[in-house]
Amino acid sequence: GNSVTQMEGPVTLSEEAFLTINCTYTATGYPSLFWYVQYPGEGLQLLLKATKADDKGSNKGFEATYRKETTSFHLEKGSVQVSDSAVYFCALSEDNYGQNFVFGPGTRLSVLP
Amino acid sequence: DTEVTQTPKHLVMGMTNKKSLKCEQHMGHRAMYWYKQKAKKPPELMFVYSYEKLSINESVPSRFSPECPNSSLLNLHLHALQPEDSALYLCASSQVGVQETQYFGPGTRLLVL
Repeated sequence: GNSVTQMEGPVTLSEEAFLTINCTYTATGYPSLFWYVQYPGEGLQLLLKATKADDKGSNKGFEATYRKETTSFHLEKGSVQVSDSAVYFCALSEDNYGQNFVFGPGTRLSVLP
Repeated sequence: DTEVTQTPKHLVMGMTNKKSLKCEQHMGHRAMYWYKQKAKKPPELMFVYSYEKLSINESVPSRFSPECPNSSLLNLHLHALQPEDSALYLCASSQVGVQETQYFGPGTRLLVL
């Protein structure tokens, strides 16, 4: 079956540090890939997505590139802020009804001032 | 507008109570979802509605009863819950199509005593 693996953390960084959160996936077919962010006490917010190989999703300074050859979708940001402290979920979707909308375990990020 | 609203934000109930969670979206989405999220875990899919019809039930106990009265509303009726049902309940919606993005509400935090 489909699966998503990501570093679980917690990841602790100082403000303005470079961030990488690794995400790799296993899927049949050609999934779309997503990063969602969950701030404390809130629901999930879509951060970015990519629908085909070599696509780059970007939003709020975050970027991730769909790498089919390495089945990866690593999240990066050049300079993190305290306000980026949250849990980040990598996810994939292969079809239209959500039963294959598979989440990774989540990575908790703490950014210190 | 990509907003999904959920009420109530918090709910405390006894094991003999009956309560309902409500979810609403006005994005014209025809697929709606209920997820359960335990602390430090990713969301787990419970139910999927497509065109107001239940299309996926992930073997959820019958003490959880979903209802989709129209294309904008999704309810989750709760009865005779157990303490282990305490969790964050998330609603999401999407277009019906291939690999559509799911948009999440802020969730209802449920505590069963």
